[in-house]
Amino acid sequence: DSGVTQTPKHLITATGQRVTLRCSPRSGDLSVYWYQQSLDQGLQFLIHYYNGEERAKGNILERFSAQQFPDLHSELNLSSLELGDSALYFCASSPMGQGYTEAFFGQGTRLTVV
Amino acid sequence: GENVEQHPSTLSVQEGDSAVIKCTYSDSASNYFPWYKQELGKRPQLIIDIRSNVGEKKDQRIAVTLNKTAKHFSLHITETQPEDSAVYFCAAVMYSGGGADGLTFGKGTHLIIQP
Repeated sequence: DSGVTQTPKHLITATGQRVTLRCSPRSGDLSVYWYQQSLDQGLQFLIHYYNGEERAKGNILERFSAQQFPDLHSELNLSSLELGDSALYFCASSPMGQGYTEAFFGQGTRLTVV
Repeated sequence: GENVEQHPSTLSVQEGDSAVIKCTYSDSASNYFPWYKQELGKRPQLIIDIRSNVGEKKDQRIAVTLNKTAKHFSLHITETQPEDSAVYFCAAVMYSGGGADGLTFGKGTHLIIQP
């Protein structure tokens, strides 16, 4: 167990819908990273939040957004869903502040768009 | 941005033999290179990492080498065991004080250990 909690584990929804994925980082970790894993694109960095502020964007679509709350949990919002958004979505947390350290991954949310 | 190439995509070795997975990166500013192991349906787990000020690092049967000039790093697993069967990902990132960027991953190598 990495200490990073993601909910839900599985999500099935229809095209055009909107979903919210939730991530609770390890206790004390201020950074949350979101990644998308699909068969054709592999593991791709989406976005990074640190202590409530957006720090970097990767290959995140405009239909996707995220935020990190004062209690440091983060949510990834996916809207106007398309079949191609079906993937495994991971969040990872790290403490930061003293050099780059290991990012601990959650178990992921498997999103299926039908 | 950073681009990471990983080879081979599939590697089959006999139990007890060694396995080598190779990656190249494009951004000379990258300075942290982790390797993750992912079993089917599970989360990626860090197995070893190396920073740009080090050329080689070992942890029991696992070693990583880094050639900054060639922008190339490799994972070496010796005395392979059935539990080593998994998908292995290399990654690279340019870490600064802000640590903003996420990892750029290779496409992964499916390592199969034949009994």
